[in-house]
Amino acid sequence: DVKVTQSSRYLVKRTGEKVFLECVQDMDHENMFWYRQDPGLGLRLIYFSYDVKMKEKGDIPEGYSVSREKKERFSLILESASTNQTSMYLCASSPTALQQYFGPGTRLTVT
Amino acid sequence: KQEVTQIPAALSVPEGENLVLNCSFTDSAIYNLQWFRQDPGKGLTSLLLIQSSQREQTSGRLNASLDKSSGRSTLYIAASQPGDSATYLCAVRFHSGGYQKVTFGTGTKLQVIP
Repeated sequence: DVKVTQSSRYLVKRTGEKVFLECVQDMDHENMFWYRQDPGLGLRLIYFSYDVKMKEKGDIPEGYSVSREKKERFSLILESASTNQTSMYLCASSPTALQQYFGPGTRLTVT
Repeated sequence: KQEVTQIPAALSVPEGENLVLNCSFTDSAIYNLQWFRQDPGKGLTSLLLIQSSQREQTSGRLNASLDKSSGRSTLYIAASQPGDSATYLCAVRFHSGGYQKVTFGTGTKLQVIP
């Protein structure tokens, strides 16, 4: 079974803090994704990566950056957390053009 | 801009009923379409993936169909059970978005009443 894990299920941070969200997959997938999910807005793509050290902006990259130093790990970084970044963050991985596999999500609260 | 729409946003049915969830999309040039289930506060679980060349996929009590020309997909759930209660999301991989990107609908929240 494909396994995608995220470093935390719940996280509370203060405004202005630098926040790291980690995602690890164990199936040697090329593609990895970070989404945020908000009520009424659905899932929105923040960034994705199709190879080590490669990244592409999604639909809402502002205020975020990413890092992919190893194939199995994709990190989302909030350089200076703000209250409007309070959300559920979901990581996914997939082989090329095939189905996506999701992690359990991280609910981030920025106070 | 590609969009994916799911109507209704919420649905409540008695246990045992057969039901259909709808997904529509704005561009027929797609690689594939995937249906997911999401339980409250959890990640997404993949249910069915339909490639652009396919018309339907089946898994147990679930059947998903795809009509690219009309920009529609349906998820049919037979003999619904309380355990089917969840939010169902469809996701489309459009050609113009590049093969890596997927666009999600906002979901249909299903409640199956015992």
